[in-house]
Amino acid sequence: GQQVMQIPQYQHVQEGEDFTTYCNSSTTLSNIQWYKQRPGGHPVFLIQLVKSGEVKKQKRLTFQFGEAKKNSSLHITATQTTDVGTYFCAGQYNFNKFYFGSGTKLNVKP
Amino acid sequence: DTEVTQTPKHLVMGMTNKKSLKCEQHMGHRAMYWYKQKAKKPPELMFVYSYEKLSINESVPSRFSPECPNSSLLNLHLHALQPEDSALYLCASSHPLSSNEQFFGPGTRLTVL
Repeated sequence: GQQVMQIPQYQHVQEGEDFTTYCNSSTTLSNIQWYKQRPGGHPVFLIQLVKSGEVKKQKRLTFQFGEAKKNSSLHITATQTTDVGTYFCAGQYNFNKFYFGSGTKLNVKP
Repeated sequence: DTEVTQTPKHLVMGMTNKKSLKCEQHMGHRAMYWYKQKAKKPPELMFVYSYEKLSINESVPSRFSPECPNSSLLNLHLHALQPEDSALYLCASSHPLSSNEQFFGPGTRLTVL
């Protein structure tokens, strides 16, 4: 079945360092979404990427969708303690069917 | 109103009990989802309702029974659950014809004894 792999599982950074998480699918995605889940919270939508090779920026966050629509990445520049949480990608293959990656838990030391 | 509400927040039930989880949204979204999330794991899709009709069932055991009484409400009926069903149950909604962004509720923390 469809699977979305995500690495790394954990990332510990010093405040001010950069952070990147990667997602990879074995089959072509319709689109990919990114979510952030704070400890004890629920997933909160960050962005959706639809087009091949798409790059979107939100302040310090940069999201990329691969040319083959099989991989994606989220890069955070100059992390802050407010960036702490688990970042999930969610790949969409069929209408309304989303498969979440395993998540990357980010810890930022002040 | 850009909120998805879920009740109860916490639920403890025995293996012979029957209980229901409730989810409500008033954003006019016509797709609603149930996810199960175990500790330190990603959300796992269980069911999807599209325009009040069940469109996706991810091979979920029959002890979980979803219901969508109207476009704003989504229920998950629970019966004869097992301890391994203990998890956070998340409801989400989206407007399938626009951004497809999923809005998640805070979840129900379920413990099966």
